[in-house]
Amino acid sequence: DVKVTQSSRYLVKRTGEKVFLECVQDMDHENMFWYRQDPGLGLRLIYFSYDVKMKEKGDIPEGYSVSREKKERFSLILESASTNQTSMYLCASNPGSGETQYFGPGTRLLVL
Amino acid sequence: SQQGEEDPQALSIQEGENATMNCSYKTSINNLQWYRQNSGRGLVHLILIRSNEREKHSGRLRVTLDTSKKSSSLLITASRAADTASYFCATDVWGAQKLVFGQGTRLTINP
Repeated sequence: DVKVTQSSRYLVKRTGEKVFLECVQDMDHENMFWYRQDPGLGLRLIYFSYDVKMKEKGDIPEGYSVSREKKERFSLILESASTNQTSMYLCASNPGSGETQYFGPGTRLLVL
Repeated sequence: SQQGEEDPQALSIQEGENATMNCSYKTSINNLQWYRQNSGRGLVHLILIRSNEREKHSGRLRVTLDTSKKSSSLLITASRAADTASYFCATDVWGAQKLVFGQGTRLTINP
């Protein structure tokens, strides 16, 4: 059974803190994605990666960076958290372009 | 503007009734996918329909695709309380390596 896990379900951080969100998939998928989801705005793509050490900006990359040192792990980094980064963060993976994406359970981040 | 836009934004029906949700998009696609999201959880893939397909079934789900109108519909027959969730369409656009999600339809099934 396919599985995507995220390091935390809920996270509370202070403004200015560096925040790491981790995502791990056990399906040997090539592609991994980070989205944020906000009411009324749907899912918005932050970054994605189609191979180890490769990354591509999505629609809203500002204020975020990513790291993919191993195929199964894709990390989202908030260099200096701000209150407008309070959101639900969803990680996903898929085996190839345009194929079904498998999502993690999400991390609800609150920045105070 | 959104590549995929769902309509309606919210839908409330009685258990046992059919639910229909629509998705419109703007550019040529390879495929269109529907996902479900239960409150506060990740998305779960429901069905994928390719650009050369017109209709696809999976259990109580029926998806149609009209590429000339750039639209798709998701029909859930004989709805159940457990179908209460948000439903998203996502398009795989030619030349892109990513899916583009719509804003979703929030479906409520009343017992």
